[in-house]
Amino acid sequence: GENVEQHPSTLSVQEGDSAVIKCTYSDSASNYFPWYKQELGKRPQLIIDIRSNVGEKKDQRIAVTLNKTAKHFSLHITETQPEDSAVYFCAASKGDSSYKLIFGSGTRLLVRP
Amino acid sequence: DAGVIQSPRHEVTEMGQEVTLRCKPISGHNSLFWYRQTMMRGLELLIYFNNNVPIDDSGMPEDRFSAKMPNASFSTLKIQPSEPRDSAVYFCASSWVAGGRETQYFGPGTRLLVL
Repeated sequence: GENVEQHPSTLSVQEGDSAVIKCTYSDSASNYFPWYKQELGKRPQLIIDIRSNVGEKKDQRIAVTLNKTAKHFSLHITETQPEDSAVYFCAASKGDSSYKLIFGSGTRLLVRP
Repeated sequence: DAGVIQSPRHEVTEMGQEVTLRCKPISGHNSLFWYRQTMMRGLELLIYFNNNVPIDDSGMPEDRFSAKMPNASFSTLKIQPSEPRDSAVYFCASSWVAGGRETQYFGPGTRLLVL
Protein backbone atom coordinates (compact mmCIF):
# COMPACT_ATOMS: atom_id res chain seq x y z
CA GLY A 1 0.00 0.00 0.00
CA GLU A 2 0.89 3.69 -0.09
CA ASN A 3 3.50 4.98 2.35
CA VAL A 4 4.27 8.66 2.92
CA GLU A 5 7.46 9.76 4.62
CA GLN A 6 7.86 13.30 5.90
CA HIS A 7 10.99 15.23 6.92
CA PRO A 8 12.07 16.86 9.10
CA SER A 9 10.10 15.91 12.18
CA THR A 10 10.88 19.26 13.79
CA LEU A 11 11.95 22.55 12.23
CA SER A 12 12.90 25.79 13.96
CA VAL A 13 13.34 28.98 11.95
CA GLN A 14 13.75 32.66 12.68
CA GLU A 15 10.80 34.88 11.89
CA GLY A 16 11.08 36.11 8.33
CA ASP A 17 13.09 33.12 7.13
CA SER A 18 11.75 30.40 4.84
CA ALA A 19 10.73 26.91 5.88
CA VAL A 20 10.71 23.82 3.68
CA ILE A 21 9.08 20.49 4.51
CA LYS A 22 9.56 17.48 2.27
CA CYS A 23 7.52 14.33 1.67
CA THR A 24 8.05 11.23 -0.41
CA TYR A 25 5.42 8.71 -1.44
CA SER A 26 5.65 5.16 -2.65
CA ASP A 27 2.63 4.58 -4.89
CA SER A 28 3.18 6.03 -8.36
CA ALA A 29 -0.59 6.00 -8.87
CA SER A 30 -1.04 8.75 -6.27
CA ASN A 31 -2.24 11.95 -7.88
CA TYR A 32 -3.56 14.22 -5.12
CA PHE A 33 -1.31 15.75 -2.48
CA PRO A 34 -2.81 18.00 0.23
CA TRP A 35 -1.05 19.75 3.08
CA TYR A 36 -2.73 20.26 6.45
CA LYS A 37 -1.83 22.58 9.29
CA GLN A 38 -2.71 21.63 12.84
CA GLU A 39 -2.37 24.13 15.65
CA LEU A 40 -2.09 22.90 19.21
CA GLY A 41 -5.36 21.39 20.37
CA LYS A 42 -7.09 22.13 17.08
CA ARG A 43 -8.21 20.15 14.07
CA PRO A 44 -6.08 19.64 10.93
CA GLN A 45 -6.99 22.24 8.32
CA LEU A 46 -6.19 22.16 4.63
CA ILE A 47 -3.81 24.93 3.62
CA ILE A 48 -2.92 23.97 0.06
CA ASP A 49 -3.10 20.99 -2.27
CA ILE A 50 -1.67 19.98 -5.62
CA ARG A 51 -2.60 17.47 -8.26
CA SER A 52 -0.30 15.40 -10.40
CA ASN A 53 -0.91 17.40 -13.56
CA VAL A 54 0.63 20.48 -11.93
CA GLY A 55 4.26 20.96 -10.91
CA GLU A 56 3.85 23.93 -8.61
CA LYS A 57 1.12 25.87 -6.88
CA LYS A 58 1.30 29.08 -4.86
CA ASP A 59 -1.02 30.81 -2.42
CA GLN A 60 0.48 33.98 -0.98
CA ARG A 61 3.37 32.90 1.27
CA ILE A 62 2.77 29.19 0.75
CA ALA A 63 3.83 27.09 -2.22
CA VAL A 64 3.91 23.41 -2.97
CA THR A 65 6.05 21.67 -5.57
CA LEU A 66 5.64 18.18 -6.96
CA ASN A 67 8.15 15.94 -8.69
CA LYS A 68 6.25 12.89 -9.95
CA THR A 69 9.34 11.24 -11.37
CA ALA A 70 11.08 11.28 -8.01
CA LYS A 71 7.80 10.80 -6.12
CA HIS A 72 8.32 13.67 -3.76
CA PHE A 73 6.57 16.92 -2.97
CA SER A 74 7.46 19.85 -0.76
CA LEU A 75 5.82 22.68 1.17
CA HIS A 76 7.53 26.06 1.11
CA ILE A 77 6.61 28.85 3.52
CA THR A 78 8.26 32.20 2.90
CA GLU A 79 8.52 35.16 5.27
CA THR A 80 7.53 32.99 8.20
CA GLN A 81 5.55 34.50 11.06
CA PRO A 82 5.03 33.27 14.64
CA GLU A 83 1.46 32.28 13.76
CA ASP A 84 2.89 29.78 11.26
CA SER A 85 4.05 27.72 14.25
CA ALA A 86 2.09 24.45 14.12
CA VAL A 87 2.34 20.84 13.02
CA TYR A 88 2.17 20.36 9.26
CA PHE A 89 1.05 17.10 7.65
CA CYS A 90 1.45 16.04 4.06
CA ALA A 91 -0.78 13.39 2.53
CA ALA A 92 -1.21 11.44 -0.68
CA SER A 93 -4.18 9.91 -2.39
CA LYS A 94 -4.71 7.86 -5.51
CA GLY A 95 -7.88 9.75 -6.21
CA ASP A 96 -9.74 6.62 -7.11
CA SER A 97 -13.24 5.93 -5.89
CA SER A 98 -11.91 5.68 -2.36
CA TYR A 99 -10.03 9.00 -2.11
CA LYS A 100 -8.25 7.55 0.87
CA LEU A 101 -5.59 9.88 2.25
CA ILE A 102 -2.35 8.50 3.64
CA PHE A 103 -0.73 11.01 5.97
CA GLY A 104 2.91 11.66 6.72
CA SER A 105 4.09 11.67 10.32
CA GLY A 106 4.02 15.46 10.64
CA THR A 107 6.54 18.29 11.04
CA ARG A 108 6.49 20.51 14.07
CA LEU A 109 7.41 24.01 12.89
CA LEU A 110 8.51 26.62 15.39
CA VAL A 111 8.95 30.20 14.21
CA ARG A 112 11.08 32.16 16.67
CA PRO A 113 10.17 35.85 17.01
CA ASP B 1 -22.01 26.15 7.04
CA ALA B 2 -21.60 24.52 10.45
CA GLY B 3 -18.75 22.30 9.37
CA VAL B 4 -18.25 18.78 10.65
CA ILE B 5 -19.77 18.35 14.10
CA GLN B 6 -18.48 15.85 16.63
CA SER B 7 -19.71 14.91 20.07
CA PRO B 8 -18.74 14.65 22.78
CA ARG B 9 -15.69 16.93 22.65
CA HIS B 10 -14.18 15.26 25.69
CA GLU B 11 -14.82 11.84 27.16
CA VAL B 12 -13.32 10.30 30.27
CA THR B 13 -14.27 6.72 31.02
CA GLU B 14 -13.05 3.71 32.87
CA MET B 15 -11.52 0.67 31.28
CA GLY B 16 -14.16 -1.81 30.19
CA GLN B 17 -16.85 0.76 29.53
CA GLU B 18 -18.50 1.31 26.18
CA VAL B 19 -17.69 4.54 24.38
CA THR B 20 -19.70 6.00 21.51
CA LEU B 21 -18.40 8.88 19.44
CA ARG B 22 -20.68 10.76 17.11
CA CYS B 23 -20.20 12.68 13.90
CA LYS B 24 -22.36 14.82 11.66
CA PRO B 25 -20.68 15.46 8.30
CA ILE B 26 -21.03 18.59 6.23
CA SER B 27 -24.36 18.60 4.45
CA GLY B 28 -24.01 17.32 0.89
CA HIS B 29 -20.77 15.48 1.46
CA ASN B 30 -20.83 11.84 0.42
CA SER B 31 -17.74 10.48 2.15
CA LEU B 32 -16.93 10.23 5.84
CA PHE B 33 -13.66 9.28 7.49
CA TRP B 34 -12.75 8.37 11.07
CA TYR B 35 -9.18 9.03 12.22
CA ARG B 36 -7.31 8.45 15.43
CA GLN B 37 -4.41 10.67 16.46
CA THR B 38 -1.78 9.86 19.07
CA MET B 39 1.72 11.12 19.66
CA MET B 40 3.18 7.69 19.01
CA ARG B 41 1.26 6.70 15.89
CA GLY B 42 0.33 10.05 14.39
CA LEU B 43 -2.84 10.38 12.33
CA GLU B 44 -4.31 6.99 11.44
CA LEU B 45 -7.30 6.32 9.21
CA LEU B 46 -9.62 3.86 10.94
CA ILE B 47 -12.48 3.52 8.48
CA TYR B 48 -14.22 5.45 5.76
CA PHE B 49 -17.65 5.44 4.20
CA ASN B 50 -18.80 6.44 0.75
CA ASN B 51 -22.52 7.04 0.28
CA ASN B 52 -23.07 5.54 3.76
CA VAL B 53 -21.35 2.28 2.81
CA PRO B 54 -18.13 1.22 4.57
CA ILE B 55 -15.43 1.03 1.91
CA ASP B 56 -12.30 0.27 3.86
CA ASP B 57 -12.11 -0.70 7.53
CA SER B 58 -8.58 -2.08 7.40
CA GLY B 59 -7.45 0.57 9.87
CA MET B 60 -9.82 -0.51 12.62
CA PRO B 61 -7.46 -1.81 15.31
CA GLU B 62 -9.52 -4.78 16.48
CA ASP B 63 -13.00 -6.15 16.97
CA ARG B 64 -13.59 -3.86 19.91
CA PHE B 65 -14.00 -1.04 17.40
CA SER B 66 -17.07 -0.71 15.20
CA ALA B 67 -18.50 2.10 13.08
CA LYS B 68 -21.85 2.73 11.49
CA MET B 69 -23.35 5.28 9.16
CA PRO B 70 -27.12 4.77 9.17
CA ASN B 71 -27.74 7.83 7.00
CA ALA B 72 -25.92 10.59 5.17
CA SER B 73 -25.93 12.93 8.15
CA PHE B 74 -24.79 10.75 11.02
CA SER B 75 -22.06 8.29 11.93
CA THR B 76 -20.90 6.61 15.11
CA LEU B 77 -17.66 5.02 16.21
CA LYS B 78 -18.05 2.63 19.11
CA ILE B 79 -15.40 1.09 21.32
CA GLN B 80 -16.51 -1.82 23.47
CA PRO B 81 -14.91 -2.58 25.83
CA SER B 82 -12.57 0.39 26.04
CA GLU B 83 -8.94 0.06 27.13
CA PRO B 84 -6.37 2.65 28.29
CA ARG B 85 -4.46 2.29 25.01
CA ASP B 86 -7.52 3.62 23.20
CA SER B 87 -6.86 7.04 24.71
CA ALA B 88 -6.41 9.42 21.79
CA VAL B 89 -8.06 12.20 19.84
CA TYR B 90 -10.61 10.85 17.38
CA PHE B 91 -11.36 12.98 14.35
CA CYS B 92 -14.18 12.66 11.89
CA ALA B 93 -13.75 14.19 8.44
CA SER B 94 -16.03 14.49 5.45
CA SER B 95 -15.62 15.26 1.78
CA TRP B 96 -17.47 15.47 -1.49
CA VAL B 97 -15.89 12.77 -3.65
CA ALA B 98 -16.58 13.54 -7.28
CA GLY B 99 -14.63 14.98 -10.16
CA GLY B 100 -11.43 15.28 -8.16
CA ARG B 101 -12.93 17.44 -5.42
CA GLU B 102 -11.82 15.27 -2.54
CA THR B 103 -10.76 17.84 0.05
CA GLN B 104 -11.37 16.46 3.51
CA TYR B 105 -12.73 18.74 6.21
CA PHE B 106 -12.05 17.71 9.77
CA GLY B 107 -14.28 18.06 12.78
CA PRO B 108 -13.00 19.44 16.10
CA GLY B 109 -12.24 15.95 17.41
CA THR B 110 -13.18 13.98 20.52
CA ARG B 111 -10.48 13.72 23.15
CA LEU B 112 -10.89 10.30 24.78
CA LEU B 113 -9.22 9.29 28.01
CA VAL B 114 -9.67 5.73 29.24
CA LEU B 115 -8.56 5.24 32.83
